[in-house]
Amino acid sequence: NAGVMQNPRHLVRRRGQEARLRCSPMKGHSHVYWYRQLPEEGLKFMVYLQKENIIDESGMPKERFSAEFPKEGPSILRIQQVVRGDSAAYFCASSIDRDGYTFGSGTRLTVV
Amino acid sequence: SQQGEEDPQALSIQEGENATMNCSYKTSINNLQWYRQNSGRGLVHLILIRSNEREKHSGRLRVTLDTSKKSSSLLITASRAADTASYFCATDSADGLTFGKGTHLIIQP
Repeated sequence: NAGVMQNPRHLVRRRGQEARLRCSPMKGHSHVYWYRQLPEEGLKFMVYLQKENIIDESGMPKERFSAEFPKEGPSILRIQQVVRGDSAAYFCASSIDRDGYTFGSGTRLTVV
Repeated sequence: SQQGEEDPQALSIQEGENATMNCSYKTSINNLQWYRQNSGRGLVHLILIRSNEREKHSGRLRVTLDTSKKSSSLLITASRAADTASYFCATDSADGLTFGKGTHLIIQP
């Protein structure tokens, strides 16, 4: 069991470009959560998805950020027209309904 | 083994008792964080303790950090049924943020 896989591990983007972060949940997990961690701070919840559905996006910025979890393939967190303030580590976690909450290693986004 | 290992894996106590969970890690850290996760929901950030701090309080929560032993503990006093959840520690180091597998706490009414 490979665990929750996130890629890329590090991503550098210039201001105005798009960033795509991928999260492959553990086998059998249909729930995915995305978090953002700013330097020296704890995780902040962004969005909770089940297959093909967004369940809770209360932590997502209203503009430029979107997330999807298609029937096939990984969950994608997409940030359009990145700005310096988007630089952070982005973590995803997956679970089977109520059990097995497991984290990925994160993607560190740097906007230059 | 993995950075940020919680101990015990599962803990069941009576309502009103205190619950203690431990976290051990291996490398130098900038800070250590504790989170709660209720079934089927996202994480809730509880406390962040920096490497130069030894103890921190927040309501019924008390966190200690011993960098010489590379360990931390989370104490929940006067437990309530609503405290039933999984608790994770995460270490923030040069390698980034790393989570343990969590302690599942059950408070019996």
